[in-house]
Amino acid sequence: DARVTQTPRHKVTEMGQEVTMRCQPILGHNTVFWYRQTMMQGLELLAYFRNRAPLDDSGMPKDRFSAEMPDATLATLKIQPSEPRDSAVYFCASGTGTGWTGELFFGEGSRLTVL
Amino acid sequence: AQSVTQLGSHVSVSEGALVLLRCNYSSSVPPYLFWYVQYPNQGLQLLLKYTTGATLVKGINGFEAEFKKSETSFHLTKPSAHMSDAAEYFCAVRRGSPGTYKYIFGTGTRLKVLA
Repeated sequence: DARVTQTPRHKVTEMGQEVTMRCQPILGHNTVFWYRQTMMQGLELLAYFRNRAPLDDSGMPKDRFSAEMPDATLATLKIQPSEPRDSAVYFCASGTGTGWTGELFFGEGSRLTVL
Repeated sequence: AQSVTQLGSHVSVSEGALVLLRCNYSSSVPPYLFWYVQYPNQGLQLLLKYTTGATLVKGINGFEAEFKKSETSFHLTKPSAHMSDAAEYFCAVRRGSPGTYKYIFGTGTRLKVLA
C-alpha cells in the first residue's frame, strides 16, 4: 500500500531548538510539496520540489526554515531556531510528473508544538 | 493569480439531508480544480477533480461537483449526508505552467452532521 510517510508524527520542543521533519514520498513520485496547517492561516504552501530540485520556497521564512531533498526517497524540512509561532501541523505531499493530472498524496502530518 | 474561495468555514446538516459546500475560483485560464477531505488527525485525501471534459464530476463516497465556468464555481454536493461525512473539506486549484505546477488550497469548510 503506497503512501507518504512522515516522521515524527508529534514533536514538542522548546523555543530556540532545532526541529527536523522528514518525509518519504511515494516511490516513483518526483514532485514533493511541504504545507503548513494552522487554524488561522489554513493550508499554506511552504516549498516544493521536482526531481529533487527546489522550484519555489517563497512561502517559507528564509531566516529560519530550510527544505531539502537529499535523495529521491527523502525530503526534509528544518526549523532553526524554532519559535512558538511555528506550532502547526506540517504536511508533506507527493505526486508524479509528466502527464500527471494532479492528485496529491498526503502524509499524516507532523504536529509541532514549540513551547 | 489563480485562487479559490470557500464560502462558510462551518456547515451543519442533518443526517440524510443534502450537503452543499461552496467553492469559487479565480482564474484567467481553464483551471484544474480539486476537492479534498481531511478526517481528524489525518492528511488530506482526494475526493474528486476536474481537469477537462465533463463538467459534472463524480467522486468517492457519493460526492460530486459541477464545474460552472459562467459562475466560476465548483461546488461540492452529496444528496444524503451520513454521519461519517463529518470532516473538513478543502477546495484547491492548480497554478503555474508545465513542470512548475503548484496547488493552492482554500481555507476549508468543516462539515458537521447532526443525528
